[in-house]
Amino acid sequence: DIQMTQSPSSLSASLGDRVTITCRASQGIGNRLSWYQHAPGRIPKLLVYEASILESGVPSRFSASGSGTDFTLTISSLQPEDVATYYCQKYNVDPLTFGGGTKVEIK
Amino acid sequence: QIRLQQSGPGVVKPSQTLSLICAVSGDTLSNTSATWNWVRHSPSRGLEWLGRTLYRSHQWHTDYALSVESRITVNPDTSKNQFSLHLNSVTPDDTAVYFCARERDWAGIAHWSQGALVTVSS
Repeated sequence: DIQMTQSPSSLSASLGDRVTITCRASQGIGNRLSWYQHAPGRIPKLLVYEASILESGVPSRFSASGSGTDFTLTISSLQPEDVATYYCQKYNVDPLTFGGGTKVEIK
Repeated sequence: QIRLQQSGPGVVKPSQTLSLICAVSGDTLSNTSATWNWVRHSPSRGLEWLGRTLYRSHQWHTDYALSVESRITVNPDTSKNQFSLHLNSVTPDDTAVYFCARERDWAGIAHWSQGALVTVSS
């Protein structure tokens, strides 16, 4: 079973900072990876699929890259509405495992 | 517009079966470019994918997370365009907000239900 490991588990950054979150798969998954934003009390929101394709309507300050086992999600300029927990999820084959999440806070 | 509306009890007693239904509108369960999923969230575990059903090659398939594989069933009901989750032998550790969700093939989960807290308690 492929494990998804995110780092860091949490981070605190200032408004306008560049934030990078990493997701590592225990085996290669090609580009079959999505990223989600889950704010408290809200439903999860799809940000990225196929490792680097931004979902329609997602602000351009979000970007993502990677393939194989190593993936990143970057917020180029952190905004107040970006406070949330971010999850990666693999979907090359079942099970569709989520990473453990990265909680992003404002310093 | 695709909508997922889930229903089911908010409290389940330990050792009993947790059962939820997700009614789908704006799409059909037999869409061969979509899968129909159950996901839960708890503070201790974060988001956890539980299982899904999908229609491919003229038949229904199911996939389950290893952590619940022995206790879970996801069933489609094409007559009502809905799918269900049954999780048996629940413990307080199964307390979570449960979501049903639609995944597009190779394109992530873009549609979610509103979610509902299910508490396992006597």
